[in-house]
Amino acid sequence: KQEVTQIPAALSVPEGENLVLNCSFTDSAIYNLQWFRQDPGKGLTSLLLIQSSQREQTSGRLNASLDKSSGRSTLYIAASQPGDSATYLCAVRGTGNQFYFGTGTSLTVIP
Amino acid sequence: SAVISQKPSRDICQRGTSLTIQCQVDSQVTMMFWYRQQPGQSLTLIATANQGSEATYESGFVIDKFPISRPNLTFSTLTVSNMSPEDSSIYLCSVDRGGVTEAFFGQGTRLTVV
Repeated sequence: KQEVTQIPAALSVPEGENLVLNCSFTDSAIYNLQWFRQDPGKGLTSLLLIQSSQREQTSGRLNASLDKSSGRSTLYIAASQPGDSATYLCAVRGTGNQFYFGTGTSLTVIP
Repeated sequence: SAVISQKPSRDICQRGTSLTIQCQVDSQVTMMFWYRQQPGQSLTLIATANQGSEATYESGFVIDKFPISRPNLTFSTLTVSNMSPEDSSIYLCSVDRGGVTEAFFGQGTRLTVV
């Protein structure tokens, strides 16, 4: 069964810093990997989708990479802002179409 | 993309009662899912809502407790029945078109059972 792990579980950084969130998965047979943002008590907002054949995707200050063979993905956030404070979840879609979610990284950006 | 409207956004319910959560999508989608997120936990899939047929439930979830309807390709409901405090969670509706496509989520329903 696919297992998705995110490290660190929590991260606190001063405003303006660049940071990296990590996601690892155990089964490389995936369709894609998606990064989400979740604000407290709210739903998920899709940030980036990386297909299994891609190495990275960029959107604004966000850059996500995927190394399928090693079962790893990173989310890079440049020039962090207090508004980036949220929980970040990665999810992999297996070839059976089911999503497997990580446990999330809770990010706090201190003004 | 898909815009999902989920209602209610939050509710506080008495033990033993039931709550029905609605999920409306702005376009027809093949696949709709219901997830539960217990406090401090990640998301767990409850079931896949199938249009015109019975939902497909994941291990640990049963139809009597979580009946689901999907009358068409843009709408689904999840009912949480005979609630207990352990049902206090965020319930999320999700849609996608399978395979390599992107998944989208509703705003979630924050349920507290007292």
